[in-house]
Amino acid sequence: KQEVTQIPAALSVPEGENLVLNCSFTDSAIYNLQWFRQDPGKGLTSLLLIQSSQREQTSGRLNASLDKSSGRSTLYIAASQPGDSATYLCAVHSNSGYALNFGKGTSLLVTP
Amino acid sequence: NAGVMQNPRHLVRRRGQEARLRCSPMKGHSHVYWYRQLPEEGLKFMVYLQKENIIDESGMPKERFSAEFPKEGPSILRIQQVVRGDSAAYFCASSGTGKQYFGPGTRLTVL
Repeated sequence: KQEVTQIPAALSVPEGENLVLNCSFTDSAIYNLQWFRQDPGKGLTSLLLIQSSQREQTSGRLNASLDKSSGRSTLYIAASQPGDSATYLCAVHSNSGYALNFGKGTSLLVTP
Repeated sequence: NAGVMQNPRHLVRRRGQEARLRCSPMKGHSHVYWYRQLPEEGLKFMVYLQKENIIDESGMPKERFSAEFPKEGPSILRIQQVVRGDSAAYFCASSGTGKQYFGPGTRLTVL
């Protein structure tokens, strides 16, 4: 059974800092890995999707990497802004099933 | 192309009542997934449906919960005789051949 863990659970940084969010998963037989953003009381916004054959994906100030063999992914946010404050979720789509397996998320607060 | 639609966005029920949650997938998508997010918990998969078929219901509670995706109309997640522990956000996602796109969720509160 795929287990997804995200650390830290919460993070507070001053505006302008670069930061890294971590995601680990127990079963390396994955189809893809996706990072989402969730604002309080809202739905999920897909940020980046990395296929199992890829090592990283970039979108603007966001960069996500994938090391399938070690079961790890990182989400790098450059030059953080207060508008980046949200919960960031990592989700793994395993080869063995249809579902996305989610971590519990990292709650990010960027202070002005 | 409208995204995944869910309604209602907020639903309040008293213990013992029924809750019906609706999900309209993105145009052209024939796969629907339901997930539940309990307070302080991550999203958990419940069920995966294609038109008129339940493909994987391994995450569905054994009693009181059912789901359907008829040939016409939205997918329905039905919870009978709700209890306080059913209070959660319920998210629907749809896909064509790959990536899942999520709706805004229905927040169910059981009094």
